[in-house]
Amino acid sequence: DIQMTQSPSSLSTSVGDRVTITCRASQRISSYLNWYQQKPGKAPKLLIYAASSLQSGVPSRFSGSGSGTDFTLAISSLQPEDFATYYCQQSYSTPYTFGQGTKLEIK
Amino acid sequence: QLQLQESGPGLVKPSETLSLTCTVSGGSISSSGYYWGWIRQPPGKGLEWIGSIYYGGSTYYNPSLKSRLTISVDTSKNQFSLKLSSVTAADTAVYYCARHRISGIANWFDPWGQGTLVTVSS
Repeated sequence: DIQMTQSPSSLSTSVGDRVTITCRASQRISSYLNWYQQKPGKAPKLLIYAASSLQSGVPSRFSGSGSGTDFTLAISSLQPEDFATYYCQQSYSTPYTFGQGTKLEIK
Repeated sequence: QLQLQESGPGLVKPSETLSLTCTVSGGSISSSGYYWGWIRQPPGKGLEWIGSIYYGGSTYYNPSLKSRLTISVDTSKNQFSLKLSSVTAADTAVYYCARHRISGIANWFDPWGQGTLVTVSS
C-alpha cells in the first residue's frame, strides 16, 4: 500500500494568514493526488483533484501543487470558514489511501 | 444537484453482517465515467477507502477487507449497497458513500453522503 504522510498534524494560525500543508507519498504517484476539507460532524469535501485542479465552486484562495512524491496545499488568506481538517488522498493505485489529516486551529 | 444518502442499522452485533445502502438522487447511477464508492472513518481517526463499484457491476475492493466485503448495485432503485461480514469493534466507524469520478487514471470522490455511524457492540 502507498503510505501518505501529512505535515504538520496540526497548525495554529490566524485569519488572513497564508498556510501550506505538505503531503508526502511513500512512492511516486505522478499527479494522482487529491485534497479534501472536513469540518466537524460533516463529510469531507473535495477541494483539489489531480494535484492542482480546483474543484468547481471552491474559492480560488485554495491551490495545490506537486508531483512525484511531494505535494502541497496552500490557502492564500485564511478565512474563518477554513478552520477544518484537511486530508490528502492518492488515486494512483488501489487501495486508495489517505493522509492522517492536518487540523487547522485558530490561534 | 447530485445527492447521496446512506441508510442502515446504527448498531450491529459482533460477528454479524453490517449492511448499508446508499441512495443516489439528482442523477443516474448508470452514468458512464463514474464508479460509486464507500469510505469509512473510525471515531476521531482518519479515512479508509473500502471499495467501489461501477453500474455494470464491476468492483474493486480494499484488500484488507476483501474477504469480508460485498458491494452491489441496483440500477432500478438508483442505489448501491455494502455488506461487511464478521464485524468486530474495529469496524465501528462513520460510513460514507460517494461518487467516484474516473478520468483516465485520475480519480476522486465527490460528492459525499452525510455519513452514518455504525457501532459494533453486543
